[in-house]
Amino acid sequence: SQKIEQNSEALNIQEGKTATLTCNYTNYSPAYLQWYRQDPGRGPVFLLLIRENEKEKRKERLKVTFDTTLKQSLFHITASQPADSATYLCALPDRGSTLGRLYFGRGTQLTVWP
Amino acid sequence: DAGVIQSPRHEVTEMGQEVTLRCKPISGHNSLFWYRQTMMRGLELLIYFNNNVPIDDSGMPEDRFSAKMPNASFSTLKIQPSEPRDSAVYFCASSLAAGARSDTQYFGPGTRLTVL
Repeated sequence: SQKIEQNSEALNIQEGKTATLTCNYTNYSPAYLQWYRQDPGRGPVFLLLIRENEKEKRKERLKVTFDTTLKQSLFHITASQPADSATYLCALPDRGSTLGRLYFGRGTQLTVWP
Repeated sequence: DAGVIQSPRHEVTEMGQEVTLRCKPISGHNSLFWYRQTMMRGLELLIYFNNNVPIDDSGMPEDRFSAKMPNASFSTLKIQPSEPRDSAVYFCASSLAAGARSDTQYFGPGTRLTVL
């Protein structure tokens, strides 16, 4: 299995700043890592995937890094907006499995205030 | 596609009653996952199926919980008898687990269960 830790349960930042969320894992290095967004009353929604041989991935204002030496992924939201307020979860696949099982972190609740 | 469909969206029941949660995965997906989410424990995997076969049910908390997937388009999670500590949001998710090393999961809207 995999143990995942995400930084502080809650992160509050001002609009326009960059939010940085951390995901650390402790066991095997995964083939890839995913980030999901969850809004209140809804299921998680996939945002980005980064593979073990990729250092960085970008999608609009989102940037993800993956450091297999540190066993860490960083998730950045630049020019943050109140609409970015949500809980963000990282997820890692089961080692060697081809059946789609993921291990999810507890999530970090991000609040962007005007 | 309509996405993953779950029913009911909300369920309020009394302790001791049987509860059945339903899920319709995305057409063509071959893996289906049942999760439970609470503030205390986060998102917990209860059981998952691949090609309608249960693969790992080690997350099912007790014998009171059971899950079935009689065909590729339908799954149920049953709690009998229900207890107040079962109160949580239950999510169903599906994925196309083709060994593609990128198994994105698609979640349903969840069922909020309250056991009085």
